[in-house]
Amino acid sequence: ELKVEQNPLFLSMQEGKNYTIYCNYSTTSDRLYWYRQDPGKSLESLFVLLSNGAVKQEGRLMASLDTKARLSTLHITAAVHDLSATYFCAVGETSYDKVIFGPGTSLSVIP
Amino acid sequence: DTGVSQNPRHKITKRGQNVTFRCDPISEHNRLYWYRQTLGQGPEFLTYFQNEAQLEKSRLLSDRFSAERPKGSFSTLEIQRTEQGDSAMYLCASSLGRQLVGTEAFFGQGTRLTVV
Repeated sequence: ELKVEQNPLFLSMQEGKNYTIYCNYSTTSDRLYWYRQDPGKSLESLFVLLSNGAVKQEGRLMASLDTKARLSTLHITAAVHDLSATYFCAVGETSYDKVIFGPGTSLSVIP
Repeated sequence: DTGVSQNPRHKITKRGQNVTFRCDPISEHNRLYWYRQTLGQGPEFLTYFQNEAQLEKSRLLSDRFSAERPKGSFSTLEIQRTEQGDSAMYLCASSLGRQLVGTEAFFGQGTRLTVV
């Protein structure tokens, strides 16, 4: 059974600093997604990663995927307050087409 | 608005009552998913459809839960004899599925259920 873990679960960081969120998963997968969720809102798709070594960047966020290590990272560069949200990684099962979510990382960027 | 639409946005019900939620996916999407999210947790998979066929149901989905997608378009999720533990946000998502490998699912705003 596919399990998805994230760490840290809570992250408080100062504006301007860099940090990385990690996502580990337990079984082989061919796709990984990162989503953002603001309080009381639905999920917004950030990145889709489909192959080993895939790297995608959007603004201050960069996501990467290492399928051999079953690890994805979401790197935050020079954080700003607007990035405060909960970030979820989600991994697609290969046998079925459902996607399993991690527990989320609650990010708070403080001045 | 061409996004995923869910109704109602909020539902308060008494324990033991039945409730039904509706999801209208993005029109060309053949895959439709239901997830449940409780406070501070990630979304938990409940079930999904490809067109009108329900392909998988989670073990989380007790016999009190049933989902349909009768014409491969909108879907309904019904909870019978609601319990307080059913209180959660119910999220619907749609995608193009394997027609375009790796496309992400787009989520609706969710229906927040409170069972009192």
